[in-house]
Amino acid sequence: KAGVTQTPRYLIKTRGQQVTLSCSPISGHRSVSWYQQTPGQGLQFLFEYFSETQRNKGNFPGRFSGRQFSNSRSEMNVSTLELGDSALYLCASSGTGLRGYTFGSGTRLTVV
Amino acid sequence: GENVEQHPSTLSVQEGDSAVIKCTYSDSASNYFPWYKQELGKRPQLIIDIRSNVGEKKDQRIAVTLNKTAKHFSLHITETQPEDSAVYFCAAANQAGTALIFGKGTTLSVSS
Repeated sequence: KAGVTQTPRYLIKTRGQQVTLSCSPISGHRSVSWYQQTPGQGLQFLFEYFSETQRNKGNFPGRFSGRQFSNSRSEMNVSTLELGDSALYLCASSGTGLRGYTFGSGTRLTVV
Repeated sequence: GENVEQHPSTLSVQEGDSAVIKCTYSDSASNYFPWYKQELGKRPQLIIDIRSNVGEKKDQRIAVTLNKTAKHFSLHITETQPEDSAVYFCAAANQAGTALIFGKGTTLSVSS
C-alpha cells in the first residue's frame, strides 16, 4: 500500500515568488491536512481538506491557500514568499475519525 | 480552537532510565490523543494513541495515560535505549475531530 507522497522534496525560491506543493494521500483516505514545521515551533496546523472542501483552518495569513481535487490529491500554495516561510511542509492523510493519520516525507522549502 | 502545551522541550536520560513527557490540552471535547516520534530527517510516525474512553494504554516499553478531568496526558518510556533518541510530539484532535493539533515537541536524548 503506497504511503503519502509529497512533491517536490526540495524547493528553493526567491522572496516575492509563489510556490505550489503537492500531496497525494493514501488510497481511500479522503482527508488531507497540511502543517508547517520549523525549529522550535513544532507542527503548526495550516488547513484540512475533505471532499474538495476546506473544513478547518489554522492561524496563517491569506498568502497560504490550498485546494483538493476529486481524487483527494491536495495542493497548497504560498504567494508572495517571505524569508520566514522557509520550513518543512508536511501533509497528512487519514480516513474517518482520524484513523490511520499518516504523514508524508515533506517538502523542504527554502526562501532566499 | 484547541491548544496543546508540551513539556519538557528537551529531556536527557541515561540508557535504561525512564522518560516521561507531559501534555495538556484546552478543548474538553477532544477525544483522541496520539503520540508521534520523529527521527532526524524523517517524517513523524505514530507510536501510540489513546481515545478518551480509556485511561491508560500500553505497548511494550511505551505507555500513555490520560486524565480527562485535568485535561492532560503523558507518554512514558521505560528502559530507554539510544534508538529512542528523537523528537516526540503529542497531539489532540480538534473540536470537529477532523484534524490533529500538535504540541511543540520534546527532544529526547538517551546516552549510553
